[in-house]
Amino acid sequence: EVQLVESGGGLVQPGGSLRLSCAASGFIGSNYYIDWVRQAPGGGLEWVANVRQDGHDTNYVDSVRGRFTISRDNAKNSLYLQMNSLRVEDTAVYYCIAAITFMGGRYWLDSWGPGTLVTVSP
Amino acid sequence: IQLTQSPSSLSASVGDRVTITCRASQGISSFLAWYQQKPGKAPDLLIYAASTLQNGVPSRFSGSGSGTDFTLTISSLQPEDFATYYCQHLNSYPFTFGQGTRLEIK
Repeated sequence: EVQLVESGGGLVQPGGSLRLSCAASGFIGSNYYIDWVRQAPGGGLEWVANVRQDGHDTNYVDSVRGRFTISRDNAKNSLYLQMNSLRVEDTAVYYCIAAITFMGGRYWLDSWGPGTLVTVSP
Repeated sequence: IQLTQSPSSLSASVGDRVTITCRASQGISSFLAWYQQKPGKAPDLLIYAASTLQNGVPSRFSGSGSGTDFTLTISSLQPEDFATYYCQHLNSYPFTFGQGTRLEIK
């Protein structure tokens, strides 16, 4: 069973930067995606970005493209979400998800971390 | 692609049969998932590919639909089912979610 743990959340001022980490443990297999989903306080879910396990396919929602970057360190079995030029509207709990189940040509988001809170405020 | 869930909230009793719908703004084949989220917790995947039950999910949950119209059905509500439910499409990027349906105890 895969377990994911996010870290690196906290309070940052508008325009600042933060790097979130996602550490995976357990058997994750050789083909998967890692997705990031966020949830503003009291709000719904928003898909943010994902990366294929080999790092060669990355995708972002328009609102973060050019400001957020996914990177990975396979030696540490970790993945990072670098967030620059942060805005108040980026305030949310950020979830890291391992999309392992493959069916119908898609990797389904089946293993979620507990999330880490990012607060962007003056 | 926009996903619209209905209703936004729902009151029901233990033992009731409940149906939540998710409508896509354009056809998404069967690239739809359903999640359950309880307060303060991460969402759990219930159903993927529109109708496939995730391992460990009780059989009272079922999903159906393709194209633009999808449903999540709970055949007999249990106390632990009171939560918020979200649909999400994986047809094309970005993988948007519906706005959620809050299921409350009547």
